[in-house]
Amino acid sequence: ETGVTQSPTHLIKTRGQQVTLRCSSQSGHNTVSWYQQALGQGPQFIFQYYREEENGRGNFPPRFSGLQFPNYSSELNVNALELDDSALYLCASSARDRVYEQYFGPGTRLTVT
Amino acid sequence: AQSVTQLGSHVSVSEGALVLLRCNYSSSVPPYLFWYVQYPNQGLQLLLKYTSAATLVKGINGFEAEFKKSETSFHLTKPSAHMSDAAEYFCAVSDSGGSNYKLTFGKGTLLTVNP
Repeated sequence: ETGVTQSPTHLIKTRGQQVTLRCSSQSGHNTVSWYQQALGQGPQFIFQYYREEENGRGNFPPRFSGLQFPNYSSELNVNALELDDSALYLCASSARDRVYEQYFGPGTRLTVT
Repeated sequence: AQSVTQLGSHVSVSEGALVLLRCNYSSSVPPYLFWYVQYPNQGLQLLLKYTSAATLVKGINGFEAEFKKSETSFHLTKPSAHMSDAAEYFCAVSDSGGSNYKLTFGKGTLLTVNP
């Protein structure tokens, strides 16, 4: 069974740029959630995708957007990057009938300079 | 609205000693509760979960947690700490409100194990 994978592992961007992070869900999982973990904090919910549609969103501005593809993989896009966007971005997948039971990938460390 | 409070941002124990990490939650509906562990520069690994079955939940690596509704608590314990337990631990709550089951996390507790 393949776990959740994320790419890239690390990246560095400049303020104002745009970034795309990618996530492949665990085999058999059709729901993907994204979280932002700032240094020294717990993860914060960004949004969740199911059947290629956003299915719930946390307190994040519209410049945070996402996609889910037919194979259940997902992308997180962030436009107009700000310094405070520097964080570990975590993707989690789950089965729809147990969507509360989320399995996390290793994360993407984004640094905005 | 749901929230999680983890008491103690840093807990230090000796190898072989009892580990107790505290978590209190707030939820307007019956909660699902989770403990995750995060090793340096890694993602989160699910340790154990409470989903309204048995109140005493056993997880991986010898950890267990007890759901106490009257105290709104879900403390994590392990009888004997091992050096490999050193990591950050997060308590999380999810409820059945709405159609998504987002996790709300505490701020984490860093566990240090001394030889």
